[in-house]
Amino acid sequence: KAGVTQTPRYLIKTRGQQVTLSCSPISGHRSVSWYQQTPGQGLQFLFEYFSETQRNKGNFPGRFSGRQFSNSRSEMNVSTLELGDSALYLCASSLIGQNTGELFFGEGSRLTVL
Amino acid sequence: AQKVTQAQTEISVVEKEDVTLDCVYETRDTTYYLFWYKQPPSGELVFLIRRNSFDEQNEISGRYSWNFQKSTSSFNFTITASQVVDSAVYFCALSGGLNTDKLIFGTGTRLQVFP
Repeated sequence: KAGVTQTPRYLIKTRGQQVTLSCSPISGHRSVSWYQQTPGQGLQFLFEYFSETQRNKGNFPGRFSGRQFSNSRSEMNVSTLELGDSALYLCASSLIGQNTGELFFGEGSRLTVL
Repeated sequence: AQKVTQAQTEISVVEKEDVTLDCVYETRDTTYYLFWYKQPPSGELVFLIRRNSFDEQNEISGRYSWNFQKSTSSFNFTITASQVVDSAVYFCALSGGLNTDKLIFGTGTRLQVFP
């Protein structure tokens, strides 16, 4: 079966712009979570969605937001981009989101902010 | 506070050597889960193992083995007879609560296996 698909894979933005990243989970998976990976801070949890509801949120400013659609696809948005937002953004999906099984990760969207 | 420490930033070995990646965690939860993930150059994290806090049995899967010791809050990962394909960054992670996929990751250990 198809894995977790993230688009776009690479993108370059300038400070002050906004960006939307998309994640299509594995078919049948209802839980989607997002992580930011940077050399300085490592892998940090952004948020988690289950059945279109945000279930958990990490310690990030309000410029970071997300949503999940009825087909479980998810998007995250970063507004007013800052240089420090340059990172690999990883999406992961699971069946029911209760740490009962493995998370399946996508290959990520690499964002560069100039 | 929950925390995962991977003190080894980078390890280099020659093929066929055994290598152990260390992981120490902190949590006040009595029920929790521990994970290891592998991140190859392509970027996606690949699940290797999940362990719950009530199961301290060591696990072996092929060349991989895991040693979970609650007394020392450690969950170490050993690769036996390493291969070049094992080169990757390995992350240890702790569940960020129950009924959630939130994970607290360590900083990762980059393993380089040379032929």
